[in-house]
Amino acid sequence: AQSVTQPDIHITVSEGASLELRCNYSYGATPYLFWYVQSPGQGLQLLLKYFSGDTLVQGIKGFEAEFKRSQSSFNLRKPSVHWSDAAEYFCAVGARGAQKLVFGQGTRLTINP
Amino acid sequence: DAGITQSPRHKVTETGTPVTLRCHQTENHRYMYWYRQDPGHGLRLIHYSYGVKDTDKGEVSDGYSVSRSKTEDFLLTLESATSSQTSVYFCAISGTGGMGPEQFFGPGTRLTVL
Repeated sequence: AQSVTQPDIHITVSEGASLELRCNYSYGATPYLFWYVQSPGQGLQLLLKYFSGDTLVQGIKGFEAEFKRSQSSFNLRKPSVHWSDAAEYFCAVGARGAQKLVFGQGTRLTINP
Repeated sequence: DAGITQSPRHKVTETGTPVTLRCHQTENHRYMYWYRQDPGHGLRLIHYSYGVKDTDKGEVSDGYSVSRSKTEDFLLTLESATSSQTSVYFCAISGTGGMGPEQFFGPGTRLTVL
C-alpha cells in the first residue's frame, strides 16, 4: 500500500523568499502525485499533478514540483512567496489503476511580512 | 470549480443522535468520496463510491455508513454520533477516462458532537 510523508508540520518564510515543501512517498511503481492547497475554512484546491513524462511540473499560482524517482520525492517549490500563499498544503499519492488517494498530514505555511 | 456542494455546512449535535451529511455533484462523475480532516492526521478516507449503489470502506469507516441512490448524491450517516466524530468532513469526486485519480473537493461540513 502506498503512503505519504510530509516531514514539516509547519514552515514560516518571509514574503518574497523562496519556498520548498517536502513530500516523500512509498509505492512500488510510478505513482500519480498531487499537491493540494487549503486556505482557512475552505476545501482543497488542486495545485498541480504528475502522471508521467516531464518530471518537472508546473501548476497554478506560480508553483512547481519535481518528481524524483530515486529519492521517492515530489517536492513543491515557489521562487517567491506572497502573503496570500499562507495556507495548508497537502501532498497525495495514487496508485496506477486505482481511484483512491492517500494524503500526507499536511504542512502549514505561515508568511512573515 | 467543480460543481460540488455539501449540506449542511455547519452542524452541532448531541452524542447519540443520528446525523446525515449530503454531498451533491453536477459533474456526473462516477467516483465519490467522504473524508474526515483532523489536526495532525491530514485527510482520511471514510467511504467511497464507484457507482450507484456501489460503495466500499475506507481506512476509518467504523461508525459511519453511506448510500448512493443517484449519481449526483452521496450521503454519509453517523448512526449514533460520538464526540470522536467531531471533525470537518469533505466530499470529493473524480471521473474516469484518463483523468487518473485526480479528485475535486467540496467546501466541507464542520460537525461538532457535544
